Amino acid sequence: DSGVTQTPKHLITATGQRVTLRCSPRSGDLSVYWYQQSLDQGLQFLIQYYNGEERAKGNILERFSAQQFPDLHSELNLSSLELGDSALYFCASSSAAGDTQYFGPGTRLTVL
Amino acid sequence: GEDVEQSLFLSVREGDSSVINCTYTDSSSTYLYWYKQEPGAGLQLLTYIFSNMDMKQDQRLTVLLNKKDKHLSLRIADTQTGDSAIYFCAEKLGYQKVTFGTGTKLQVIP
Repeated sequence: DSGVTQTPKHLITATGQRVTLRCSPRSGDLSVYWYQQSLDQGLQFLIQYYNGEERAKGNILERFSAQQFPDLHSELNLSSLELGDSALYFCASSSAAGDTQYFGPGTRLTVL
Repeated sequence: GEDVEQSLFLSVREGDSSVINCTYTDSSSTYLYWYKQEPGAGLQLLTYIFSNMDMKQDQRLTVLLNKKDKHLSLRIADTQTGDSAIYFCAEKLGYQKVTFGTGTKLQVIP
C-alpha cells in the first residue's frame, strides 16, 4: 500500500459526459501528479500540482482540468468524454524533495 | 530530448536471472527509477538510483547504470512467478518531472 488513495476504482460513463476523479496523496506529500495509461499510448504524464498550484503540464487535453485543494487532495475533471478517453488514470504523490513518486491504485474509466 | 526506451517483452524460466534494459536520451537526469506494475494494479516503486552511482543492490534486485551509454538495467536474481509483471524504467529531469519508458512485460515460466 503506497498510501495514495484514489476514488472511484471503476467508472463507466457515456460519450459527452463529464466525470471527476479524486486523489488523496500520502500524508505529508505536497506534490500530486496525474497520469493516463492506455494500451496504445503507454503511461502519459498529464499534470502536476505542488501545494495547491500548478507546477508542470504534460500531454493534458483542454477538455481535462485538475486542481489541488487546501487539504492537498486533488481532482481531475474530464469533460466531453470520448471513446478514446477510456484508460487507467493514476495519481501519484511525492514529498517536497520530490525524489520519488508513489502511485495510487488508479481509476479505470470506461467510456461507452 | 526526453525519450526512455525499453524492449516490450521478456520471458525467463523460474529460478533464472532476468535482466530488463532501458535506454534514455537526456544526460541531465538526476534519478532513475524502476517501477513494477502487476495486472490491474498501480505502479509500485521497486528501487531507484542516483545518477552519480553506478550500481545499487537491494536483495534480489541489482540496478546498473552506464551513464556514458545512457543505459540502465534491472537484474532480478532467482526470478519467481510472482515477479511476472510490467516493469517501467523512468528518469527524473529538472524539478520533479519524470518520464516513463514504455514498459517491459516480464513473463516467468514455471
